[in-house]
Amino acid sequence: QSALTQPASVSGSPGQSITISCSGTTSDIGGYNFVSWFQQHPGKAPKLIIYDVSDRPSGVSSRFSGSKSGNTASLTISGLQAEDEADYYCNSYTTTTLYVFGTGTKVTVL
Amino acid sequence: EVQLVESGGGLVQPGGSLRLSCVASGFTFSSYWMGWVRQAPGKGLEWVADINKDGSGKYYVDSVKGRFTISRDNAKDSVYLQMNSLRAEDTAVYYCARDPEGGLTFDYWGQGNLVTVSS
Repeated sequence: QSALTQPASVSGSPGQSITISCSGTTSDIGGYNFVSWFQQHPGKAPKLIIYDVSDRPSGVSSRFSGSKSGNTASLTISGLQAEDEADYYCNSYTTTTLYVFGTGTKVTVL
Repeated sequence: EVQLVESGGGLVQPGGSLRLSCVASGFTFSSYWMGWVRQAPGKGLEWVADINKDGSGKYYVDSVKGRFTISRDNAKDSVYLQMNSLRAEDTAVYYCARDPEGGLTFDYWGQGNLVTVSS
């Protein structure tokens, strides 16, 4: 099972919106609505910010939103803030092993 | 408050063994699947293993099958990862994580425990 494909880096200015893509196959993203997104700051444990493609856990800012089209999922961060600078990982259920993570995207706030 | 606290990491020689433990609190442990996720230095996240609520179902990434064993003790609110035949490429921070229903997501994570495989 290969990792889901994400862009290595995405950047934006404060207040802007950015979108991170996560590309998979029909065995994972395309076949099921079990896509999650995690935010990880340096030296910290990952934090769940989106599950089931577009649902947000309690306490997560509404500036984070998720969507899916075909075999590709997306995370949008609107109103970009300095504290959003972190690594972001997508994750999906997969029929081959159970879970597969994305390659990760470093978000830089300019 | 949900808490997951890992222990058992450290330095081990190639071919050696190590057992990671994760103690849970703040929720009904036996009602949740549990998983282990690792992150090699400077690299991305990799799912390692998952176990269902009563321990009868275990799932592994291909690279650890036959070498790692996940288990749990619901009486002790604990999940374990027994790692045998360790290789340099197993060097990583290992996170214990709560899995609401197996294959859905990981909603709470431990702080991570570093395992270094080196001679």
